[in-house]
Amino acid sequence: EDKVVQSPLSLVVHEGDTVTLNCSYEVTNFRSLLWYKQEKKAPTFLFMLTSSGIEKKSGRLSSILDKKELFSILNITATQTGDSAIYLCAVAGSFGNEKLTFGTGTRLTIIP
Amino acid sequence: ETGVTQTPRHLVMGMTNKKSLKCEQHLGHNAMYWYKQSAKKPLELMFVYNFKEQTENNSVPSRFSPECPNSSHLFLHLHTLQPEDSALYLCASSQGDREGTDTQYFGPGTRLTVL
Repeated sequence: EDKVVQSPLSLVVHEGDTVTLNCSYEVTNFRSLLWYKQEKKAPTFLFMLTSSGIEKKSGRLSSILDKKELFSILNITATQTGDSAIYLCAVAGSFGNEKLTFGTGTRLTIIP
Repeated sequence: ETGVTQTPRHLVMGMTNKKSLKCEQHLGHNAMYWYKQSAKKPLELMFVYNFKEQTENNSVPSRFSPECPNSSHLFLHLHTLQPEDSALYLCASSQGDREGTDTQYFGPGTRLTVL
């Protein structure tokens, strides 16, 4: 059974800090790893990673995948209060992105 | 706005009621999904429709019945639910790449409470 573990479960930091969120996984026939941001309801897509060692970047957010050690990290630099959200990690295995296995998420709170 | 809409946004129902959740996507996608999100649990995939065919049914109780009349609309029919079915129900859609590498985009969800 595919499994995704995210850490920490929650994190509180001050505005301007840099945070690193972790996602480790076990999956049969790995296809991709995805990061989502969930603020109030709808998770919104951040990144999809398929190759090891290639950093994906969008503004202050970046993510990288290590397929040998089976984990990914999501970095957020110069955090802002608008970054407060639950960050979800999901992996796709044998059935591709049709069947995503999600972690429980990391709840990030940014204090002004 | 992700291009995926869900109605209603909130629903309170009794255990003997019958109701339906609706999802509509305006992205030209071919695959649609229902997820259940309960407190402190990971998102759970319930159903997948790809090109209007159901391709995934994750051992969901029969009191949940999906319907996909076309590639833009997805329904979840509910009857005789239990209080433990109270959760956020999220709809998602994706291009429907047969290789299974495309990205899913989520709707805002329906917060369901079963009394």
